[in-house]
Amino acid sequence: DQQVKQNSPSLSVQEGRISILNCDYTNSMFDYFLWYKKYPAEGPTFLISISSIKDKNEDGRFTVFLNKSAKHLSLHIVPSQPGDSAVYFCAASGVSGGGADGLTFGKGTHLIIQP
Amino acid sequence: NAGVTQTPKFQVLKTGQSMTLQCAQDMNHNSMYWYRQDPGMGLRLIYYSASEGTTDKGEVPNGYNVSRLNKREFSLRLESAAPSQTSVYFCASSSLLGGSGLGQFFGPGTRLTVL
Repeated sequence: DQQVKQNSPSLSVQEGRISILNCDYTNSMFDYFLWYKKYPAEGPTFLISISSIKDKNEDGRFTVFLNKSAKHLSLHIVPSQPGDSAVYFCAASGVSGGGADGLTFGKGTHLIIQP
Repeated sequence: NAGVTQTPKFQVLKTGQSMTLQCAQDMNHNSMYWYRQDPGMGLRLIYYSASEGTTDKGEVPNGYNVSRLNKREFSLRLESAAPSQTSVYFCASSSLLGGSGLGQFFGPGTRLTVL
């Protein structure tokens, strides 16, 4: 039973365009959501997060949108750059005390930026 | 700061052998975690330690044991390795999520093959 779902295993976007990565969740107890970026042979690195009390969080080229009623979040990257090619994981925290009980991850979306 | 370090980077075991994966962090984080990642899958939580002196099971704890040696170090032990434990293992640490919003910091991973 997957609680965090990323239904697109891969996504190809032209350099300079917008990349939109989607994530759905089923557990209404999640109240903190994060995006991680992962290059091959490296550990995931934190990209951006959003609390359930917000619907948008922006950091430079990266914006995360949260629709709680639809249990859906998305990551927008504008403009997309070649260095953005990586696997992106959506993760959620069932925060009782602040994420100390670990994160639940989706399976990831492989983003490929075409020159 | 080295962040989160893991040793070894690679390991090949025979079925039934035992080994310990080591993890250390220098960020003074309270919480530490062990995840495994299998091909086409997201990261799955094996065990976590919310604070020094405590450990708890995650989603996939069978076949593993952990030790929170001190605030810096959190080890993962395979007592009798099985081919199903072939995976990439990631250690992570975090301060309380609600405080920083930065989620968890990951090590570079240990690639384990069990023959």
